[in-house]
Amino acid sequence: QSALTQPPSASGSPGQSVTISCTGTSSDVGGYNYVSWYQQHPGKAPKLMIYEVTKRPSGVPDRFSGSKSGNTASLTVSGLQAEDEADYYCSSYAGSNNFDVFGTGTKVAVL
Amino acid sequence: QLQLQESGPGLVKPSETLSLTCTVTGGSIISSGYYWGWIRQPPGKGLEWLGNIYYSGSTYYSPSLKSRVTISLDTPRNQFSLRLSSVTAADTAVYLCARRGSSFTSVGNAFDIWGQGTMVTVSS
Repeated sequence: QSALTQPPSASGSPGQSVTISCTGTSSDVGGYNYVSWYQQHPGKAPKLMIYEVTKRPSGVPDRFSGSKSGNTASLTVSGLQAEDEADYYCSSYAGSNNFDVFGTGTKVAVL
Repeated sequence: QLQLQESGPGLVKPSETLSLTCTVTGGSIISSGYYWGWIRQPPGKGLEWLGNIYYSGSTYYSPSLKSRVTISLDTPRNQFSLRLSSVTAADTAVYLCARRGSSFTSVGNAFDIWGQGTMVTVSS
């Protein structure tokens, strides 16, 4: 089971938008609407930001949104703020044999 | 609110078995519809899923680690545990436990609550 592919880095100025991609296969991202996104600040535990492709848990700002097309999912952060600078990981369900797989991670910098 | 806390040795010798426990407070590990998972993160690297255990006891492991990983529930103590056998330096990482929902829960198929993680170093 290979990790989902994310760009190593992304950046934007305050107020701008940044979009992170997460590419898998038809056996994971493309096969199920079970993609989730996590934000991780240095030394901290990951925090769930998006689940089931587009849904936001209570308390997550609506600046964070998710989408999916084919085998690629995306996370968009609109109106970038300094506190959005963090590592972001996608994850997908990959069937009953492989279950869960994480992405390679993307470091987002707010310039 | 529900909280998770990892515990266990911070140093394990090569070829030995790594054993960690995740204590759940503020809720029950046999809550219907939830999985309990272990994820690790080597220093400076990304997250790697190790395995999940369903509240009923069914287990699901990463294919790459399946031969070395065991996850179990201790319902009287409201804990779940990880055992990783025959460790090498490549197993050095922060180990995190987390609650995972399902199609039957409000947060769906995602890890919604995480422990803070515990660093385990494999070295002689």
